[in-house]
Amino acid sequence: GNSVTQMEGPVTLSEEAFLTINCTYTATGYPSLFWYVQYPGEGLQLLLKATKADDKGSNKGFEATYRKETTSFHLEKGSVQVSDSAVYFCALSVFEGGNMLTFGGGTRLMVKP
Amino acid sequence: DTEVTQTPKHLVMGMTNKKSLKCEQHMGHRAMYWYKQKAKKPPELMFVYSYEKLSINESVPSRFSPECPNSSLLNLHLHALQPEDSALYLCASRPGESQLPYEQYFGPGTRLTVT
Repeated sequence: GNSVTQMEGPVTLSEEAFLTINCTYTATGYPSLFWYVQYPGEGLQLLLKATKADDKGSNKGFEATYRKETTSFHLEKGSVQVSDSAVYFCALSVFEGGNMLTFGGGTRLMVKP
Repeated sequence: DTEVTQTPKHLVMGMTNKKSLKCEQHMGHRAMYWYKQKAKKPPELMFVYSYEKLSINESVPSRFSPECPNSSLLNLHLHALQPEDSALYLCASRPGESQLPYEQYFGPGTRLTVT
């Protein structure tokens, strides 16, 4: 089956620190990979995506590279801001699976000024 | 426009009440989803509609009844809920189950409290 594993949080950083949130996956078939962000009291927003090996998704200073050899899609940002405080979900979908989303458990990021 | 709207934003209901949640999108998407999200957990899939037909029901209790009146609108009818049904209910859409792009677009959710 399909599964996504994320590092458990919360991750607490000071403003301007470097962020890495690890994500690894297992999938039957060739997955597309996503990072979604959920700010307090809101729904999920697509942050970035990658659809094939070695693709790099990027948005708002966040980046993640699709690594097929290590089945990973780690999220990085060079300098976090207080406004980045949120819960981050790594997810995959597989065409053969009807493109249903499989989510990781989520990682809460807290950025202190 | 990549907006999915949901109403109401908050809902408090008793265990004997009947209420409905509404979801709307005007992106021409033909796949629409209901998810339930408990605190500190990822969303759990409840239902999938594809081209206005129910294609997936993830063994959801019958006190939740989905409806897709047209390609832009998705409802979730609620009846005789239990306190453990209190959660954030999220709606999502994408172009079609087997069409690119594969990502889903989520609405802001309805925060449901059952008393």
